[in-house]
Amino acid sequence: AQSVTQLDSHVSVSEGTPVLLRCNYSSSYSPSLFWYVQHPNKGLQLLLKYTSAATLVKGINGFEAEFKKSETSFHLTKPSAHMSDAAEYFCVVSDLYGGSQGNLIFGKGTKLSVKP
Amino acid sequence: ETGVTQTPRHLVMGMTNKKSLKCEQHLGHNAMYWYKQSAKKPLELMFVYNFKEQTENNSVPSRFSPECPNSSHLFLHLHTLQPEDSALYLCASSQDRIGYPDTQYFGPGTRLTVL
Repeated sequence: AQSVTQLDSHVSVSEGTPVLLRCNYSSSYSPSLFWYVQHPNKGLQLLLKYTSAATLVKGINGFEAEFKKSETSFHLTKPSAHMSDAAEYFCVVSDLYGGSQGNLIFGKGTKLSVKP
Repeated sequence: ETGVTQTPRHLVMGMTNKKSLKCEQHLGHNAMYWYKQSAKKPLELMFVYNFKEQTENNSVPSRFSPECPNSSHLFLHLHTLQPEDSALYLCASSQDRIGYPDTQYFGPGTRLTVL
């Protein structure tokens, strides 16, 4: 069965400094991995997704993530944080061959705070 | 805007009330989902509809009753809820293709409070 673990429930950075949000996954087969962002009182928006193509995935708003099979990780990074990046971020796994094909398993979320 | 709308955005109801949440997608997708988002818990998948047929029901109590009259509309009928059902209810849609878990597009959610 697939699962995902977000290693930090809260990350705080200063504006202009790098962002690192950590995610480890467990999957029986080839996983598809996603990062979603949720701003306060809003629904979830897709940042980026990995589906067995290039291991370095670029998303919107300057975010990117690298799929590392040997480490079962899919960490989200951004070189320079902006105040508007303050939100909750969810790492998500979907197992192509799982019983619930296409269904998403969400991590508990990491809340990102950005200080001026 | 993601192309998925939800109404109402906020709902307060008593435990004996009956209400419905509505979701509409304008993306031409064939799959729709209901999720529950509670504080400090991961997003929980409640129901999945594929081509209007329910394909998943993750042990959701019968006081939640979904309805999918067509591929563009999804309802969640609520009756005799409990205070612990208070949460953000999110609707999502996707274009489901065999062997390819496509991106799910989420609505803004309905914030439900049960008194």
